[in-house]
Amino acid sequence: DTEVTQTPKHLVMGMTNKKSLKCEQHMGHRAMYWYKQKAKKPPELMFVYSYEKLSINESVPSRFSPECPNSSLLNLHLHALQPEDSALYLCASSPRTAGLDNEQFFGPGTRLTVL
Amino acid sequence: AQKVTQAQTEISVVEKEDVTLDCVYETRDTTYYLFWYKQPPSGELVFLIRRNSFDEQNEISGRYSWNFQKSTSSFNFTITASQVVDSAVYFCALNPNSGNTPLVFGKGTRLSVIA
Repeated sequence: DTEVTQTPKHLVMGMTNKKSLKCEQHMGHRAMYWYKQKAKKPPELMFVYSYEKLSINESVPSRFSPECPNSSLLNLHLHALQPEDSALYLCASSPRTAGLDNEQFFGPGTRLTVL
Repeated sequence: AQKVTQAQTEISVVEKEDVTLDCVYETRDTTYYLFWYKQPPSGELVFLIRRNSFDEQNEISGRYSWNFQKSTSSFNFTITASQVVDSAVYFCALNPNSGNTPLVFGKGTRLSVIA
């Protein structure tokens, strides 16, 4: 299995809702990432998990809460989002922790719309 | 500072033409990796190639080829005999050996191949 899966594919939520994005990989990778991508922009790194521990938080607002229950799963919990948070949320994994010699494999993304 | 510049924002070519996507990077590290990713309209980022800073050999994979030149800090990507399915946004990325950011992305080049 050489893919990263993400659910849901699309999500529409109100500003008072609580929702979660899920990401899964079964490649034995020990690093997992969340990116946010706005239209016509490159992906922006949000969080990095290394060996199931949060190693990088790129000053992301607390309304985004990541969780790594085990080495194969990565969640992003969403609460009280703003319309400007609407974007494509990409999950990625890589064999090793953040560093050299690790191509990141990306999932198909969740397209989030906040009303 | 780590930086990747993709000066071409959008390129349009007619099918079967060759096209080169430019990538110029900046880093003070002597050890680093460079990547190219393809993002079709479906949204998923597809890994194309990884090149380490010690390997300046050019690489060819089917219709794709890459020209890495450390002297000019460039890692250009050429598609030969372009096809409509090549239409996508292409990102060049740098994985430096220092700092906390695993991947530094360029802004991307949107390639449109017209039948």
